[in-house]
Amino acid sequence: GENVGLHLPTLSVQEGDNSIINCAYSNSASDYFIWYKQESGKGPQFIIDIRSNMDKRQGQRVTVLLNKTVKHLSLQIAATQPGDSAVYFCAENPFYTGTASKLTFGTGTRLQVTL
Amino acid sequence: GAVVSQHPSRVICKSGTSVKIECRSLDFQATTMFWYRQFPKQSLMLMATSNEGSKATYEQGVEKDKFLINHASLTLSTLTVTSAHPEDSSFYICSARGTINQPQHFGDGTRLSIL
Repeated sequence: GENVGLHLPTLSVQEGDNSIINCAYSNSASDYFIWYKQESGKGPQFIIDIRSNMDKRQGQRVTVLLNKTVKHLSLQIAATQPGDSAVYFCAENPFYTGTASKLTFGTGTRLQVTL
Repeated sequence: GAVVSQHPSRVICKSGTSVKIECRSLDFQATTMFWYRQFPKQSLMLMATSNEGSKATYEQGVEKDKFLINHASLTLSTLTVTSAHPEDSSFYICSARGTINQPQHFGDGTRLSIL
């Protein structure tokens, strides 16, 4: 089947710097995308989402960018903090408004924040 | 925000035992619940989709007689791993969604270890 993948398995960032986590997806039918944060031993935590009719969405310290032309998604975290250390997953949802709506997760990127 | 509670958080039992995991949406009605499985350092793999009052839809390769799912109310879904064996040891995570246009919210997972 089609996959959602990530370019970097581990990203090390110094505290206070900005982080950028990338994700490539291959299902052109996907119309809804979500970024999740997963800390060790816990379930994924919703961070931010974006629909395919948008190319940018901002939250608190986070920004998601969507480039449908090259099927690329990124998560930007401003002023990265030690508490941001976790594994980040992008997820795509084809047919978002349909009954077949379900998520496909990418492989994940571990973000390590150094002091 | 939306809260999903999963219980138990950890189970250790002997081979051949059946194990039941509960997933509850605490502050919203979950029309749909999802069950995922996650192996160490890997992504989440969808096992099945459960709609309240109807039979679960299983992903390809997931044995429905092995992983019994019940979604009897809008706030509770259960996953029973029948006659569990060591290869069933994994991190099982549920998620719940209110309506089709809402994101999934995840429980904190159940670590299942079969001896």
